[in-house]
Amino acid sequence: AQTVTQSQPEMSVQEAETVTLSCTYDTSESDYYLFWYKQPPSRQMILVIRQEAYKQQNATENRFSVNFQKAAKSFSLKISDSQLGDAAMYFCAYRVLDSNYQLIWGAGTKLIIKP
Amino acid sequence: EPEVTQTPSHQVTQMGQEVILRCVPISNHLYFYWYRQILGQKVEFLVSFYNNEISEKSEIFDDQFSVERPDGSNFTLKIRSTKLEDSAMYFCASGGQGVTDTQYFGPGTRLTVL
Repeated sequence: AQTVTQSQPEMSVQEAETVTLSCTYDTSESDYYLFWYKQPPSRQMILVIRQEAYKQQNATENRFSVNFQKAAKSFSLKISDSQLGDAAMYFCAYRVLDSNYQLIWGAGTKLIIKP
Repeated sequence: EPEVTQTPSHQVTQMGQEVILRCVPISNHLYFYWYRQILGQKVEFLVSFYNNEISEKSEIFDDQFSVERPDGSNFTLKIRSTKLEDSAMYFCASGGQGVTDTQYFGPGTRLTVL
């Protein structure tokens, strides 16, 4: 069975600095997607970034980038120039490309931004 | 930008009562999902829906749960006889034209069962 592990329950970073959130996963599949979602206090789940496993290039979205290490089954999220609005729970999620439709979720990392 | 909407934002009900949670997916999306998140716990998949039928469901999605797309725009989750442990945030998500498309989430409905 696939699992997603986020080993950092909470992280804090000074505003304008860079922070990296860790995520590892376990799967025997070769084709899959990985996602980072952000959940602010409003509790809405917002897509931050997506990575296709077949792509070697790491995905980037403005200040957000990932370090995808397929062999190590690692998918970390780097947030550069942290802003107060980045404060939220961050969830890593995994999805098999074929047959399954569901997202499998990590437990989340609470990110605190210090002004 | 189109978005998924959910109503109500908060539903309080008595144990044993039926509740219907409503979702309006993004209009040209074809794949629909329900997830739940019990406070302090992981998000859990409940069910996926495509072409007017359930395509996958989890062990949580037992006989007390049902989903429907009654009119081509709404997507509902019904819990027939609520239990205390059904208290959670329920998220609806929709995905685009292909099963591999990203899932976009609604703001959630907080269900409180007393």
